[in-house]
Amino acid sequence: QQKVQQSPESLSVPEGGMASFNCTSSDRNFQYFWWYRQHSGEGPKALMSIFSDGDKKEGRFTAHLNKASLHVSLHIRDSQPSDSALYFCAASELNNAGAKLTFGGGTRLTVRP
Amino acid sequence: ETAVFQTPNYHVTQVGNEVSFNCKQTLGHDTMYWYKQDSKKLLKIMFSYNNKQLIVNETVPRRFSPQSSDKAHLNLRIKSVEPEDSAVYLCASSLLGDQDTQYFGPGTRLLVL
Repeated sequence: QQKVQQSPESLSVPEGGMASFNCTSSDRNFQYFWWYRQHSGEGPKALMSIFSDGDKKEGRFTAHLNKASLHVSLHIRDSQPSDSALYFCAASELNNAGAKLTFGGGTRLTVRP
Repeated sequence: ETAVFQTPNYHVTQVGNEVSFNCKQTLGHDTMYWYKQDSKKLLKIMFSYNNKQLIVNETVPRRFSPQSSDKAHLNLRIKSVEPEDSAVYLCASSLLGDQDTQYFGPGTRLLVL
């Protein structure tokens, strides 16, 4: 079983709508979380990081972390067709020698014009 | 703006051949990584290097070997490729630390016939 699990596998929202992604970890060693986005033919690009409980907002993107339940979410408001991509949750362990990231399986977002 | 460069973009080869992929980062980062992304888009760490020293070496077949000439370059060599090596190989870099964001290159797509 993957240590970082994402849901849903795919998501379709209308342009201007809200897209929401969920991520749950099964390992309490994971303390630091990122959301990455990958467009077709490109490498993943970091959207935002979140290390503390609560909400973190950057423009149209809001991340939420609950360390007690090891749950992270990402919300995109006013979704645009250019937001259509694969979204990954990634986690890093505390005192992680080498700082390797463990990725979830990804959620594919389609924004319908 | 791309600051992690990978070559080649795409490589097709026969089973049993040797291949080598190059990665260069211009971000001044201390740590570089190789990840493998399979056909289901699952991303998994392979190696992590800090200042030319191997830090993380996940369980990968021995035919894979990273090569670092300086902290800005990290190459990946695969001796005697097999069909299951067909994937996208992604290079990334970051400052050392479990809270540092990793920046990815565009990837090298390998197809083994």
